[in-house]
Amino acid sequence: DAGVTQSPTHLIKTRGQHVTLRCSPISGHKSVSWYQQVLGQGPQFIFQYYEKEERGRGNFPDRFSARQFPNYSSELNVNALLLGDSALYLCASSLADAGTLLGARGYTFGSGTRLTVV
Amino acid sequence: AQTVTQSQPEMSVQEAETVTLSCTYDTSESDYYLFWYKQPPSRQMILVIRQEAYKQQNATENRFSVNFQKAAKSFSLKISDSQLGDAAMYFCAYRSNDMRFGAGTRLTVKP
Repeated sequence: DAGVTQSPTHLIKTRGQHVTLRCSPISGHKSVSWYQQVLGQGPQFIFQYYEKEERGRGNFPDRFSARQFPNYSSELNVNALLLGDSALYLCASSLADAGTLLGARGYTFGSGTRLTVV
Repeated sequence: AQTVTQSQPEMSVQEAETVTLSCTYDTSESDYYLFWYKQPPSRQMILVIRQEAYKQQNATENRFSVNFQKAAKSFSLKISDSQLGDAAMYFCAYRSNDMRFGAGTRLTVKP
């Protein structure tokens, strides 16, 4: 079975540009969460979606937005890129609402998208 | 707000020996999950072990076990019979509504 798939794997953008990152969850998983991992730090929670609705949002500016599609795949959009947005962006999926204890059980991460802003 | 603290930025262990990685967390909730994840250079976060807060029994997965002290809000990971493949970044994580990670511990395994 395919795991969590993220695309692209690497990306280089210029300051001020916009970027879209994509995530396909494990088949049957309905919850997708996004994390930002700056080099040398632990991942920071950005968004969580379940059944196409936003269920949680971390402490990130409005330049960050996301959505979940009917097939449960998800996009993370970042506008007006800053140098500080350079990071590994991780996606995780789970069967149930990841905000519930049941949903926390089957939490699986993808390999991430490495974004470099120059 | 929930916080997760890993006080050991780096740890080293001899192959076949045992090492313990420390983690403390802060929360006012009673129901939650705690996790240890491994992140090798391939970048993917791999679940090592999970502990439900309502369970008093410490979780064990083969060579990996935890020492969960709920009152002390402590959740350490013990790796027995360390192998070269265990070398990676290890992250402690707390989950209630969202996942909170510590800053990580880099584990080196010496042959």
